[in-house]
Amino acid sequence: GENVEQHPSTLSVQEGDSAVIKCTYSDSASNYFPWYKQELGKRPQLIIDIRSNVGEKKDQRIAVTLNKTAKHFSLHITETQPEDSAVYFCAASIPPGNQFYFGTGTSLTVIP
Amino acid sequence: SAVISQKPSRDICQRGTSLTIQCQVDSQVTMMFWYRQQPGQSLTLIATANQGSEATYESGFVIDKFPISRPNLTFSTLTVSNMSPEDSSIYLCSGGAGGLVGYTFGSGTRLTVV
Repeated sequence: GENVEQHPSTLSVQEGDSAVIKCTYSDSASNYFPWYKQELGKRPQLIIDIRSNVGEKKDQRIAVTLNKTAKHFSLHITETQPEDSAVYFCAASIPPGNQFYFGTGTSLTVIP
Repeated sequence: SAVISQKPSRDICQRGTSLTIQCQVDSQVTMMFWYRQQPGQSLTLIATANQGSEATYESGFVIDKFPISRPNLTFSTLTVSNMSPEDSSIYLCSGGAGGLVGYTFGSGTRLTVV
């Protein structure tokens, strides 16, 4: 399967600042990269995704960038709010099975 | 997107016994998967649940330990067999249309083996 690495493992930011989480993947065949947010005791929720033919995607305060050549992608959260505090997971999907292989997770804390 | 109901939400089981976890989807989905998540850690893919055929297991997971059924496009079960304390974890199912779209997750089953 795919090997996905994620950094940092923990991240603390002041409210209003930006947060960046980075992931790398190993299989160049990966073609879809979702990001999930998981609050304590809850199920992971999809927050944004990007396909391999796109370099950047934005949705309000969150954005994802993809560098296929370097095999890395990043999540950017601007104007962070306390409710952004959670664990964030990146993932990569390989055709044809479309399984998701997850990174190790980043625990984000937004300090009010 | 699909809504997935998972049960039981938690259970405490004796070692050597088996537990079957069920996931019901509110619409037909092409793809369903089973994951394991240790508290505070990432999600590890156990297997792809294939409708009408044997599941496809990831390295380190075998059918005898984790038999999976998927009789139709809205339902799947995962059985954790002959449990040991090392099987204590959260088990989650996920599913969706497949292709280049995200999957939704069930609410998870917190399993404790004593």
